[in-house]
Amino acid sequence: EAGVVQSPRYKIIEKKQPVAFWCNPISGHNTLYWYRQNLGQGPELLIRYENEEAVDDSQLPKDRFSAERLKGVDSTLKIQPAELGDSAVYLCASSQTGLAGETQYFGPGTRLLVL
Amino acid sequence: DAKTTQPPSMDCAEGRAANLPCNHSTISGNEYVYWYRQIHSQGPQYIIHGLKNNETNEMASLIITEDRKSSTLILPHATLRDTAVYYCIVRVRNTGKLIFGQGTTLQVKP
Repeated sequence: EAGVVQSPRYKIIEKKQPVAFWCNPISGHNTLYWYRQNLGQGPELLIRYENEEAVDDSQLPKDRFSAERLKGVDSTLKIQPAELGDSAVYLCASSQTGLAGETQYFGPGTRLLVL
Repeated sequence: DAKTTQPPSMDCAEGRAANLPCNHSTISGNEYVYWYRQIHSQGPQYIIHGLKNNETNEMASLIITEDRKSSTLILPHATLRDTAVYYCIVRVRNTGKLIFGQGTTLQVKP
């Protein structure tokens, strides 16, 4: 079974430019998460989707970040415009609601560098 | 949300058992203990989780104290590939939020 797929794996952009990250969750997983991981820190949740609905976006900086999950499968996270402080690894995870424990499985992440 | 406390780093000799402690003294009755690890430049990898009983799978064992205020992750025969940052996380049942701390950097030495 394929795991969580993310692309691109690496992205280098100049500040004020837009950037987008894509995530394909594990087949059948209805819950999708985006996390941000700064250097030397643990991941922090940005947004959680249950199917198409964003059920927890309280940590998403809504002035420049947006996310969507059309059709309840793939998801895109966008930053516009990017700032130097957005340099981090952006992780996508998925889980299947209803199973005991609802274990989250993570993708490899997209490493963003803003110059 | 309950928080966890872990030692920042530990060493273990290859082939020996690695015992990683975690304190979660404010855990509530419906909160699970999860363990993930993260090898450099990879996403976090799920290891094991439990509510109040000890658990074992092909990767590790999880020992939770009777009062549930602490737990220990045991890697029975550590290899060099087990070198990683290990995160102990307490998660409220039926919610999706994982709050990662700093984790423990485990260095397995030959």
